[in-house]
Amino acid sequence: DIQMTQSPSTLSAFVGDRVTITCRASQSISSWLAWYQQKPGKAPKLLIYKASSLESGVPSRFSGSGSGTEFTLTISSLQPDDFATYYCQQYNIYPYTFGQGTKLEIK
Amino acid sequence: QVQLQESGPGLVKPSGTLSLTCAVSGGSISSNNWWSWVRQPPGKGLEWIGEIYHSGTTNYNPSLKSRVTISVDKSKNQFSLKLSSVTAADTAIYYCARVNSAYSDYWGQGILVTVSS
Repeated sequence: DIQMTQSPSTLSAFVGDRVTITCRASQSISSWLAWYQQKPGKAPKLLIYKASSLESGVPSRFSGSGSGTEFTLTISSLQPDDFATYYCQQYNIYPYTFGQGTKLEIK
Repeated sequence: QVQLQESGPGLVKPSGTLSLTCAVSGGSISSNNWWSWVRQPPGKGLEWIGEIYHSGTTNYNPSLKSRVTISVDKSKNQFSLKLSSVTAADTAIYYCARVNSAYSDYWGQGILVTVSS
């Protein structure tokens, strides 16, 4: 299985900060990577697909980049609604696998 | 807008079979999409279980393959998950989702299934 490793596991930041979450794959997955946001008690919500394509309706402060084995999710200016847990997922090779999650907390 | 809703027992006995259904509304299960199941143990990360196409073609996570069956009922616009020989390790929130080009764009709200006697 392809292992997805996110860093950091926890991130504390202020409203208005620019933050970046990294996701590394154990082997190349081209650009077949998605990012999800999950709030407590809710289902994951798709933010980014194909590494850098913004899902319809998702604010433009979210952006994704990378290819191969290293990817990043950037939030340009944190809003109160953005404090949540973020997961990356590779969908290049079965079984599809997720990162362990990055919890974004208010500082 | 596609909506998905999981249903099924919230409590299953050890060694029993977990059975869940995902009802799809606002779209056809016979569309050009796959339909998947993902689970999340309480307080932990996400695990992909498997997926099905309306033709009945399936892909499963090898870690669960011997115990998992995903099926589709086009007449009811729904698909189902069966997981046999469950243990406490199978206690999780189970989500169904629509697969769009391999990523999941619409998710159900999730259903907590507890394995306990």
